Amino acid sequence: GDSVTQMEGPVTLSEEAFLTINCTYTATGYPSLFWYVQYPGEGLQLLLKATKADDKGSNKGFEATYRKETTSFHLEKGSVQVSDSAVYFCALTYSNYQLIWGAGTKLIIKP
Amino acid sequence: DTAVSQTPKYLVTQMGNDKSIKCEQNLGHDTMYWYKQDSKKFLKIMFSYNNKELIINETVPNRFSPKSPDKAHLNLHINSLELGDSAVYFCASSQTSGRAIHEQFFGPGTRLTVL
Repeated sequence: GDSVTQMEGPVTLSEEAFLTINCTYTATGYPSLFWYVQYPGEGLQLLLKATKADDKGSNKGFEATYRKETTSFHLEKGSVQVSDSAVYFCALTYSNYQLIWGAGTKLIIKP
Repeated sequence: DTAVSQTPKYLVTQMGNDKSIKCEQNLGHDTMYWYKQDSKKFLKIMFSYNNKELIINETVPNRFSPKSPDKAHLNLHINSLELGDSAVYFCASSQTSGRAIHEQFFGPGTRLTVL
């Protein structure tokens, strides 16, 4: 079946470091891909999305490119801030009814 | 104004009790969801309702019963609570009509602790 695999956390970085959180997927078709972020004590919110191969989603300095050839959707940011500390979830969907979620990656940014 | 709201935010109760969590969305969405998030942050879909009809019913104990009185509300009732039910429960909503893929909007969560 379809699945999403994320790198295991926690990922700990210093402020202004470069961030990559890996996400790979297994899919039988051509899903849409998402990154959601969960700040401490809050619900999840959409960070960015891409609906077809080679699309790049971007928001708040974060970027991810839908790579069909490597079945990946890695999340990157050039310079992280303490306020980026959160749990990041990669997900895929074929329809609006159900998302298939990765396990989440906790990111800790130290000042 | 809160888009997806849940009550209560915290719920502490004894094993064997029955409890309910309420969810309301004011976004005009036609689909609502319940998720369970465990202590390791793993997110699991439990139920989904589209226009008050149950469309996703994952492998969940039948002690859990969702109820959607209208498109803006999706409540979750849990009978005979067990220790393993302790988790954070999230309500979410999205608009599913049309061909575009729409994001899900999440509530702030309800932290359930069963003693």
